[in-house]
Amino acid sequence: EAQVTQNPRYLITVTGKKLTVTCSQNMNHEYMSWYRQDPGLGLRQIYYSMNVEVTDKGDVPEGYKVSRKEKRNFPLILESPSPNQTSLYFCASSPRQGIVSSRSSYEQYFGPGTRLTVT
Amino acid sequence: LAKTTQPISMDSYEGQEVNITCSHNNIATNDYITWYQQFPSQGPRFIIQGYKTKVTNEVASLFIPADRKSSTLSLPRVSLSDTAVYYCLLNTGGFKTIFGAGTRLFVKA
Repeated sequence: EAQVTQNPRYLITVTGKKLTVTCSQNMNHEYMSWYRQDPGLGLRQIYYSMNVEVTDKGDVPEGYKVSRKEKRNFPLILESPSPNQTSLYFCASSPRQGIVSSRSSYEQYFGPGTRLTVT
Repeated sequence: LAKTTQPISMDSYEGQEVNITCSHNNIATNDYITWYQQFPSQGPRFIIQGYKTKVTNEVASLFIPADRKSSTLSLPRVSLSDTAVYYCLLNTGGFKTIFGAGTRLFVKA
């Protein structure tokens, strides 16, 4: 089944304890992205990756790191989590992004989400 | 990226057609208009995408006027399960994605 998976789905941690949220897709998509969703603020993009070893900042990258060593994986790293990073996180992938074509599709496939609480 | 503006919320009844309009006055030539649906605590799900005129698929229609400064998502005969948040966004040849605040649709029996 084509899907985007995230782990863990739920995580409670303490301030300053490094953590990694994994994201994996089995659709051979080139584009992957991380979002966070907070009440009243909608979805905000953290980082995105156009392909292996190519990443760039979204709108809210502070306090996060990413890596794209393999096409299928795009982990989100919080080196020193703080309470303001308590949020619902979504990973997404897309077969095409950044290609302007009458037949291109910017459809993004989202994972199930990771609910992170930092105390 | 150009910003989109949608109504914050809408109410409807089962069986009615629902039209949600999105304004994007500063849409760029390369922008595609994309709509997503999101249920609570789930990731958004792609509904439909278009560039101009009208696009229809098995779940919705998307109407885009000639000036492309707005678009309307049309959901025919909604049911209770269509209660969700609907997002309109613009995708360009770039890589950033900006979701607006979305429209919360509440379908009543």
